[in-house]
Amino acid sequence: DQQVKQNSPSLSVQEGRISILNCDYTNSMFDYFLWYKKYPAEGPTFLISISSIKDKNEDGRFTVFLNKSAKHLSLHIVPSQPGDSAVYFCAASSNFGNEKLTFGTGTRLTIIP
Amino acid sequence: ETGVTQTPRHLVMGMTNKKSLKCEQHLGHNAMYWYKQSAKKPLELMFVYNFKEQTENNSVPSRFSPECPNSSHLFLHLHTLQPEDSALYLCASSQDPQRANTGELFFGEGSRLTVL
Repeated sequence: DQQVKQNSPSLSVQEGRISILNCDYTNSMFDYFLWYKKYPAEGPTFLISISSIKDKNEDGRFTVFLNKSAKHLSLHIVPSQPGDSAVYFCAASSNFGNEKLTFGTGTRLTIIP
Repeated sequence: ETGVTQTPRHLVMGMTNKKSLKCEQHLGHNAMYWYKQSAKKPLELMFVYNFKEQTENNSVPSRFSPECPNSSHLFLHLHTLQPEDSALYLCASSQDPQRANTGELFFGEGSRLTVL
């Protein structure tokens, strides 16, 4: 049973537009959420995170929104650039990082020039 | 070299072969990890080592045997694997396991394993 779900395996967005990647979770004990980005032939790299005490965290073009009541988080990238084409993994942990990460299956984002 | 390096990058082996994957981290971290990424499945944590001691084995079959001789090196010994074990095996490191869970987890490029 997947506790972190990324229901869209792929997403294509025009360059310059907003990319929205979604993630749902089932475990109400999760309180820390992360997004990782993975290019082909490279390992995943940390992108942005959010604690459950917040509902928004912004870092440049990347913003993560957390809706605890819906057990849903989203990653917004605006404006989207060709270099953003990658696989994005959502991950979650509980006890404010004391429990191991649970990852989603990933969403492949393709930015169309 | 910097970061986390894995060798080989690609490996093809038969079900009766014995092979090993190697990981080395140059970040001065104390914890190292093996993850498995299969197609259309989440990244799965396999093993965790902290200060060379195994602290987690996530119900991994015994045909996968990890070895951590020191905090900088991690091996995954493979024997009598099955075709369904074909996957990308990712090594990672962190200063400590808690920091890994809050974003400070650094991955290698992965070893793509194909079992025939």
